[in-house]
Amino acid sequence: ETGVTQTPRHLVMGMTNKKSLKCEQHLGHNAMYWYKQSAKKPLELMFVYSLEERVENNSVPSRFSPECPNSSHLFLHLHTLQPEDSALYLCASSQELGRPGDGYTFGSGTRLTVV
Amino acid sequence: GEDVEQSLFLSVREGDSSVINCTYTDSSSTYLYWYKQEPGAGLQLLTYIFSNMDMKQDQRLTVLLNKKDKHLSLRIADTQTGDSAIYFCAESKNFNKFYFGSGTKLNVKP
Repeated sequence: ETGVTQTPRHLVMGMTNKKSLKCEQHLGHNAMYWYKQSAKKPLELMFVYSLEERVENNSVPSRFSPECPNSSHLFLHLHTLQPEDSALYLCASSQELGRPGDGYTFGSGTRLTVV
Repeated sequence: GEDVEQSLFLSVREGDSSVINCTYTDSSSTYLYWYKQEPGAGLQLLTYIFSNMDMKQDQRLTVLLNKKDKHLSLRIADTQTGDSAIYFCAESKNFNKFYFGSGTKLNVKP
């Protein structure tokens, strides 16, 4: 158990569906992140939250909508996705935004397939 | 933008040493990291090095940094089958962002 829990582990959705990915951490971390991992490509940072405020939106299409209701939970709402959005979506957290030496704690990811 | 590059695959025999290499382009990187991803799991931080260091050793792991050539390597001594995983190099400068390589898949043959 890494301390960061993501649900569901696998998700298959049609292009017209609306679904949400959930991330939860009880590590007392103040910063949370969404990453996208596509095959044979570097991890892509999508969103950064610090103390429930979004501090980074890395040019992500509006069909991805993040939500951080509190410092322990992070959601990624999905709607009208495209097949190229199929990927592993990883949530991560860190103690503070400005302490990279701590590294990140990652969840196991949600494997998303858009059909 | 920042580029972090790694070779995609490495195959070694159990008991041998593994060396995974990484190059990066941003000379102002402050921290450089190695992460490990096992099948079905998230990334785990293995080790990291400050950019003002040349080497860091942690049990079977040795990290070497050549800042002049912007080259980072991870050496795993006495590689075991349990070390089979994907290893990601990452660098950060801006505290908001990490930049990751594509990952090197290490296959350890018995």
